Amino acid sequence: GENVEQHPSTLSVQEGDSAVIKCTYSDSASNYFPWYKQELGKGPQLIIDIRSNVGEKKDQRIAVTLNKTAKHFSLHITETQPEDSAVYFCAASNYGQNFVFGPGTRLSVLP
Amino acid sequence: DSGVTQTPKHLITATGQRVTLRCSPRSGDLSVYWYQQSLDQGLQFLIQYYNGEERAKGNILERFSAQQFPDLHSELNLSSLELGDSALYFCASSVDGEDTEAFFGQGTRLTVV
Repeated sequence: GENVEQHPSTLSVQEGDSAVIKCTYSDSASNYFPWYKQELGKGPQLIIDIRSNVGEKKDQRIAVTLNKTAKHFSLHITETQPEDSAVYFCAASNYGQNFVFGPGTRLSVLP
Repeated sequence: DSGVTQTPKHLITATGQRVTLRCSPRSGDLSVYWYQQSLDQGLQFLIQYYNGEERAKGNILERFSAQQFPDLHSELNLSSLELGDSALYFCASSVDGEDTEAFFGQGTRLTVV
């Protein structure tokens, strides 16, 4: 089955700097890759996603890149703000079945 | 607010007991997913339903079962509870369960004592 690895497990950045979180997946049939942000005591919130026919997608300060050949995808957050502090999860799925999540990255943005 | 409603928010029960967690998907969503998140653990996929039928199964214990009803709400039944079942249980829904965004509820925190 699918296996998703995520690095780093923790990340601290200064406010205004960029943050990058990387994920790799194992199943070449996976074609949908969402990113979720989870704040304390809340459910995961979808922040951006990318499908296998696209190499890059951007939404304001957040971007995701996908390299299907290497089976890895990354989340980029620019101009980080304290409210970006949370746990971020990447996931991979094959046509919406059985989303497999990475172990998560705890991002801390220091003022 | 994702539009996915889970009840109850908190549940405390004793070992050996049985509980039922409820999920109402977003309006128009046909697919429901259940996940377990233990302390310091990632999200473990349990099971997916689409329009009342089971579509995919993950690491769901035999003591656990789920179903999706004709009105599309779903219930996750956990029986013979053990201390290790203490976790956050999340429900997510998506429009068609294929290549579309899944939106999560706020979760049910289950504590087994």
